[in-house]
Amino acid sequence: GENVEQHPSTLSVQEGDSAVIKCTYSDSASNYFPWYKQELGKGPQLIIDIRSNVGEKKDQRIAVTLNKTAKHFSLHITETQPEDSAVYFCAPHASGGSYIPTFGRGTSLIVHP
Amino acid sequence: NAGVMQNPRHLVRRRGQEARLRCSPMKGHSHVYWYRQLPEEGLKFMVYLQKENIIDESGMPKERFSAEFPKEGPSILRIQQVVRGDSAAYFCASSPLAGAKNIQYFGAGTRLSVL
Repeated sequence: GENVEQHPSTLSVQEGDSAVIKCTYSDSASNYFPWYKQELGKGPQLIIDIRSNVGEKKDQRIAVTLNKTAKHFSLHITETQPEDSAVYFCAPHASGGSYIPTFGRGTSLIVHP
Repeated sequence: NAGVMQNPRHLVRRRGQEARLRCSPMKGHSHVYWYRQLPEEGLKFMVYLQKENIIDESGMPKERFSAEFPKEGPSILRIQQVVRGDSAAYFCASSPLAGAKNIQYFGAGTRLSVL
């Protein structure tokens, strides 16, 4: 099965700084790479995703970059705001079968005002 | 279009009792996934269902746990004879189609506490 690791597990930044979270995976068949944001007491919500034929995708202050050769993809948040504070999960999908995502253990992002 | 609805939001059971967790997918979605989340951990896949069919239950414990998604009504995750180790947040997600290219939409979860 897929082995997924996220780093760092905790990230503390000042408001306005940038934050980067990295996700490494093991299954070279993975072709869909989403990032989820989970706020306290809520379910995960998709914030950005990238497919294997694209190297980078941007949506306002967030971006995702993919390095398929090295088997990792990263979440980038610029100009962080206190409302960005949450736990972020990567969940790469391997193609074939039931397409069940394997979630990383999460990164707790704390943005200090 | 209402999102994925889970109820109850919080459920307290004593050891040995049964827990029933419900999930109504988004309108038009026919695929449902159940996950379990322990504190400070990621979501662990349990079971994937389509209407009236279990597609993948590789993450389900072999005993006491069962799931269904009937033709009419919500998907149900059932835990019999609960033990303290079953205490966790259980999340349901739905998608319109199967496959790696389809987004899963999550509910707010049911937090099960076993006393």
